[in-house]
This record gives sequence, structure tokens and C-alpha cells, in this order.
Amino acid sequence: GESVGLHLPTLSVQEGDNSIINCAYSNSASDYFIWYKQESGKGPQFIIDIRSNMDKRQGQRVTVLLNKTVKHLSLQIAATQPGDSAVYFCAEHAGGTSYGKLTFGQGTILTVHP
Amino acid sequence: SQTIHQWPATLVQPVGSPLSLECTVEGTSNPNLYWYRQAAGRGLQLLFYSVGIGQISSEVPQNLSASRPQDRQFILSSKKLLLSDSGFYLCAWGGDRGEEKLFFGSGTQLSVL
Repeated sequence: GESVGLHLPTLSVQEGDNSIINCAYSNSASDYFIWYKQESGKGPQFIIDIRSNMDKRQGQRVTVLLNKTVKHLSLQIAATQPGDSAVYFCAEHAGGTSYGKLTFGQGTILTVHP
Repeated sequence: SQTIHQWPATLVQPVGSPLSLECTVEGTSNPNLYWYRQAAGRGLQLLFYSVGIGQISSEVPQNLSASRPQDRQFILSSKKLLLSDSGFYLCAWGGDRGEEKLFFGSGTQLSVL
């Protein structure tokens, strides 16, 4: 079946740097994408989402970029803080009536060093 | 505001024992509800979803079952646990038309020994 994957399983940055986490997807019919943050022993927390009719969406310190041509999604975190250390997952929604049936990537571990 | 409760937080069970994990949602009516499993260091796999009371759809063949006895209650069960049932189980709600994102509970870490 279709899958969502991540280029980099781990990412280490210094506090204050910008972080970029990448994700590749293979289902060209996917119409909605989400980034989640998961801290150890907790459930995933919603960070930001983007629909397939958009290329970019900004939140507080986070930006999601979508390149449908190459089926690539990225999450940019500005001025990364130690509290941003977590596993980050991208997820895609296949469209149609498959509400909530998200396909998740494997995750990227972000470690922020003070 | 909506909240989702999931318990217990951790559970250690012997092989062959039964399982019951409960999830409840507050602040919303007729939510879509989901059970996901997460293996250590891996992504999330959808196990079951429900669009209403008594309506359960299974995504993968497995040793588990789900039930929705009330609008805001979702239960994950097993009659006899296997070692391979170990994992982090997450309940979620959401996924409505125009609001496809899911909101997750705090999870249950299940260890089958």
C-alpha cells in the first residue's frame, strides 16, 4: 500500500538553530497532511497541518512546506528550544471518505542541545 | 473544550490473560473514534475505527477486538493476549469531514510477558 516515510531518522541541533524535518509520501491522492510531536511516553500532539491545495503554512515558530511535484513535506522549526526535543511524525490523509484514517511515517527524533 | 481520557497508563499482563483498555471522550457528541498501536521506535498503525455506537471497522487482522457501547466510549479488548500484542496503544477522536486531524489520548503501554 501507500506509505509515508522520513529521510532522516535522527536530527541533532543546537538551541537557537532552525530545524528542518523532512518527509516523503507516495500517495498522489493524499489531500491533507499533518505534523505531530510525540514526547516520550505520551500521545502525539498536533503541531500543524496543510491541505494539498497549499504550498506553505505557518504557525507559531513552525512552518510546513508541501511540494506536490516531488511528493515531499517538511517541517521547519525556528529558534529550536530544548522543549522541542521529541519524535516528529508526518501523517497523510488519503482523501475521500477515509476520515481519520491517517498513514503515519516512521518518525524523526529531534534532539536539541542547550 | 474536548478532552480524551485513556487508562490505564501502563499495564503488564501475562500471555493468555484477557485485556480491556478504555477510552472516553468529553466535550463532543458522536465523535469518530480510533485505536492505534505503536511499536517501539515505530510509527502508528490503525487497528480499529468507529463512526457510531456499535459500529466498528477493523483495519488489520489481529488478536484484538473493539467495542463502542456508548457514544463517547471506546474499548479495546482481547480474550487471550499474545507476546506480539505488546506495544503502546493510543485512542484518538476526530477525523470528521473538513477536520481530518486526530486528537490522541495519553496512551497505554502494554507489556505482555
